[in-house]
Amino acid sequence: ERVLTQFPDTLSLSPGERATLSCKTSQSVISNYIAWYQQIPGQAPRLLIFGASTRATGIPDRFSGSGSGTDFTLTISRLETEDFAVYYCQQYGGSPGITFGQGTRLDIK
Amino acid sequence: QVQLQESGPGLVKASETLSLTCTVSSASISSYYCNWIRQPPGKPLEWIGFIHSNGNTNSNPSLKSRVTMSIDTSKNQFSLHLSSVTAADTAVYYCARLLGYSFDSWGQGTLVTVSS
Repeated sequence: ERVLTQFPDTLSLSPGERATLSCKTSQSVISNYIAWYQQIPGQAPRLLIFGASTRATGIPDRFSGSGSGTDFTLTISRLETEDFAVYYCQQYGGSPGITFGQGTRLDIK
Repeated sequence: QVQLQESGPGLVKASETLSLTCTVSSASISSYYCNWIRQPPGKPLEWIGFIHSNGNTNSNPSLKSRVTMSIDTSKNQFSLHLSSVTAADTAVYYCARLLGYSFDSWGQGTLVTVSS
């Protein structure tokens, strides 16, 4: 079974700072199959990044994705107030088909 | 812009079947994989399964024995049926479009509570 592990579980930063969120997969994954989402409490997730590094429509360029193999990263270059939320990575393929990480909560320090 | 909307009972009794429908507007569901995803309160997202109008389906092995999905292209709707529910099935249920290998459009979600 393919497992995605995100770390840290919680990240406390201030507006204007840089955030680096990690996602490790238990098996090597084709980069095309990795995506990142933002979820504000009470709302549905929003697609930020697909194909490991391509921003979705309307996503600001302060969000960027990178990585390959088993290690993937979401970077937010300069945090704005609306960026404080929970972030999930997701992979497609293997067993059980589609998997999400457990999430990283980004808190205001 | 494609829009998805879940509908169905918000309360289901334990051991019964949970049934939800997703209505899609501004795009034909014939062209992509229609998915169900759930999120128990305070917990991460869990993929339930997908269905395509070509008959292709797949679901999470942990739920496969209890999941049935259907699709009605004439109404642009797809449905989820989850049998023998327990309190562990209490969650917000989302329908979502899989475009390529990621979910680009989501419904707002509907909370389903399983009561004893």
